Amino acid sequence: ETGVTQSPTHLIKTRGQQVTLRCSSQSGHNTVSWYQQALGQGPQFIFQYYREEENGRGNFPPRFSGLQFPNYSSELNVNALELDDSALYLCASSSDRDYGYTFGSGTRLTVV
Amino acid sequence: GDSVTQMEGPVTLSEEAFLTINCTYTATGYPSLFWYVQYPGEGLQLLLKATKADDKGSNKGFEATYRKETTSFHLEKGSVQVSDSAVYFCALSDRGNEKLTFGTGTRLTIIP
Repeated sequence: ETGVTQSPTHLIKTRGQQVTLRCSSQSGHNTVSWYQQALGQGPQFIFQYYREEENGRGNFPPRFSGLQFPNYSSELNVNALELDDSALYLCASSSDRDYGYTFGSGTRLTVV
Repeated sequence: GDSVTQMEGPVTLSEEAFLTINCTYTATGYPSLFWYVQYPGEGLQLLLKATKADDKGSNKGFEATYRKETTSFHLEKGSVQVSDSAVYFCALSDRGNEKLTFGTGTRLTIIP
């Protein structure tokens, strides 16, 4: 069990650019979710993948997209960045056996 | 839709004081309930969970009981330590490993 790791830890982008955030889940965790946490707020659900298929999406526009790979890694892509996209992005994974998610430490994205 | 309401913070207590952080929820069906803790600069760590009514989750001296009749999951600890200083999030998942809905978080500061 290696935990959930996210990269990069910090990132600064310019408005209008595109960004890809990466997550490596625990071995055997076939569900991965992404959350956006604005400063001083609780995390907000972006979307969830189960066995490489999206199976749930929160109230985020289509410019937020994702992928999950067979090796338990995943990506969050955000196009046409806006200033309000500045936040901590958290990846979380779980398995069919356990209730509750294991979270990574997050990627702090700043859009200027 | 699902929602979680947490006691507003910040909360400041002296070491060895008794802690209660209130959490109530609204959900369809029978959700699983969680408390997560976030230390400065880090992601979320699962503190405890309860998956059905009257279950008590416990970990590191913290406890919370799933109260269906009052739709509550209050977090308690009998004697807090400085190391408990963090932000605490109450969350629910409507069907096991479905998306998590979080409260806004309660910042706890313990002074020696």
